[in-house]
Amino acid sequence: ELKVEQNPLFLSMQEGKNYTIYCNYSTTSDRLYWYRQDPGKSLESLFVLLSNGAVKQEGRLMASLDTKARLSTLHITAAVHDLSATYFCAVVALYGNKLVFGAGTILRVKS
Amino acid sequence: ETGVTQSPTHLIKTRGQQVTLRCSSQSGHNTVSWYQQALGQGPQFIFQYYREEENGRGNFPPRFSGLQFPNYSSELNVNALELDDSALYLCASRRVGASWETQYFGPGTRLLVL
Repeated sequence: ELKVEQNPLFLSMQEGKNYTIYCNYSTTSDRLYWYRQDPGKSLESLFVLLSNGAVKQEGRLMASLDTKARLSTLHITAAVHDLSATYFCAVVALYGNKLVFGAGTILRVKS
Repeated sequence: ETGVTQSPTHLIKTRGQQVTLRCSSQSGHNTVSWYQQALGQGPQFIFQYYREEENGRGNFPPRFSGLQFPNYSSELNVNALELDDSALYLCASRRVGASWETQYFGPGTRLLVL
């Protein structure tokens, strides 16, 4: 059974600092997603990573995928308050028809 | 906006009651999935419907059931509500065969069971 683990589960950062969120998954997958969720809101798609070594960047966020290690990272550069949210990674198992989500990382950026 | 709508936005029920949640997908999106997100947790897959048939189910009991209609709308029904059913319920739709990147989530229905 596919399992997805994120760490840390809670991250408090100062504005301007860098940090990385990690996402490990237990079985082979052909795609991994990162989502953002603001309090009381639905999920907003940030990145989709389709192959080993894939790297995507948008603003202060950069996501990467290592399929051999079954690891994805979401790197935050020079954090700003607007990045405060909960971030989820989700994985589609090979031949699967569902997304399996991690527990989420609550990010709080303090000014 | 994702083009996926859900109703109602909020709902309060008591234990033992039944509830129906609704989702309206984008035109042409013939696959719909439902997820349960308990407070402080990631979404959990409930089931998926394609062409009005269930074609995938997570670890949820039979009292969770669904329907999908030809007009790209769908329902999630929960019978014999329990306190632990309190959660945000999300639907997500896409065209089967299309890449998963085109799956869009609705805004969710927040259910509180007292």
